[in-house]
Amino acid sequence: SQQGEEDPQALSIQEGENATMNCSYKTSINNLQWYRQNSGRGLVHLILIRSNEREKHSGRLRVTLDTSKKSSSLLITASRAADTASYFCAYFSGGSNYKLTFGKGTLLTVNP
Amino acid sequence: EAGVAQSPRYKIIEKRQSVAFWCNPISGHATLYWYQQILGQGPKLLIQFQNNGVVDDSQLPKDRFSAERLKGVDSTLKIQPAKLEDSAMYLCASSRDLGETQYFGPGTRLLVL
Repeated sequence: SQQGEEDPQALSIQEGENATMNCSYKTSINNLQWYRQNSGRGLVHLILIRSNEREKHSGRLRVTLDTSKKSSSLLITASRAADTASYFCAYFSGGSNYKLTFGKGTLLTVNP
Repeated sequence: EAGVAQSPRYKIIEKRQSVAFWCNPISGHATLYWYQQILGQGPKLLIQFQNNGVVDDSQLPKDRFSAERLKGVDSTLKIQPAKLEDSAMYLCASSRDLGETQYFGPGTRLLVL
């Protein structure tokens, strides 16, 4: 399957620092989404950016999308220990069934 | 509003046994999804329902996995017989309609011994 790739696979930072995660994909997309998953739990939708948008903000989150490079980045500013989780990008690759394809995830650890 | 409910939360079985998972989506959500998430990987879509019809089951191992969504509300996912490689988290999600934001349940963690 055309699974996305997140980079880095794991990231460890101190509280208050910024965290940047990247996502690359291989197909044309309708939109790209970011999800958070706390250890052993379900996923929580964070933010969606459409293919005609280049940047979007939501609270401490900033997402960028470069469709020419087929890549996206998620920036979390002023990180907190509670931000410790796995972060996944996901996208609809078109078609009438709107199948969502997830990347492999970045494990973020924020140390107090 | 209540979230997506799943049960059981954990299940341990031996290989070749059968197991069933249950999902109750958010009220009014037409689309329901089952994902398999192997440890260290992202979720992989197994099957997607729109009301009580199947939209996509291309990645469902149909020789051992089955799913149904009778009456277009609750859904069950069954594995029979289970293999060791079926050990994973099984996530159910729902959305108002196709292409809309998906809301996930807490998942069922399956261990096959």
